[in-house]
Amino acid sequence: DGGITQSPKYLFRKEGQNVTLSCEQNLNHDAMYWYRQDPGQGLRLIYYSQIVNDFQKGDIAEGYSVSREKKESFPLTVTSAQKNPTAFYLCASSIDQGSNQPQHFGDGTRLSIL
Amino acid sequence: GDSVTQMEGPVTLSEEAFLTINCTYTATGYPSLFWYVQYPGEGLQLLLKATKADDKGSNKGFEATYRKETTSFHLEKGSVQVSDSAVYFCALSEKGNTPLVFGKGTRLSVIA
Repeated sequence: DGGITQSPKYLFRKEGQNVTLSCEQNLNHDAMYWYRQDPGQGLRLIYYSQIVNDFQKGDIAEGYSVSREKKESFPLTVTSAQKNPTAFYLCASSIDQGSNQPQHFGDGTRLSIL
Repeated sequence: GDSVTQMEGPVTLSEEAFLTINCTYTATGYPSLFWYVQYPGEGLQLLLKATKADDKGSNKGFEATYRKETTSFHLEKGSVQVSDSAVYFCALSEKGNTPLVFGKGTRLSVIA
């Protein structure tokens, strides 16, 4: 079955530590996205990528970094510069960024601070 | 910039009640509109979409009509079930290379 796989489902970070969240898709989608979800705030866009080796900052990119070396993979690193990283992180993909294309979502990674 | 405004939740209904979740949007052009649903502990799933004015999206008994004159895309269902309890997100996408813009979500709880 085609889909988006996020791992791990739960992740704990110590103070001053970088952590990387994995996102893999086998849908052959060009565009991929990372969102952060906090209670009562909906989804906020962190980074997105339209094609391999290219990505753009979203609304809340500070303290995060991404790479897009392969079409199917779009890992997100939460750096120590992100002072409030506790949240639910969602990865999504779409065929491209045409306006009619829906996004397909993974099941998310919940990040907590130890 | 573009924005989506949803009615504040939570919304609590009895089983078989009628559901309306209001959604209005602000956009410079003619966006496509979407409703997504999120069940506890999961990602978002596309529920329905509409790509132009007067289009009606429908799925699983849910409906929403793209109203350009009122810039709205309200979600409705005639008879809700306990299994419909979830968070519902309205979203839009402008033409061109812009990601989806989401509303803040509306939590629905249906009690038996």
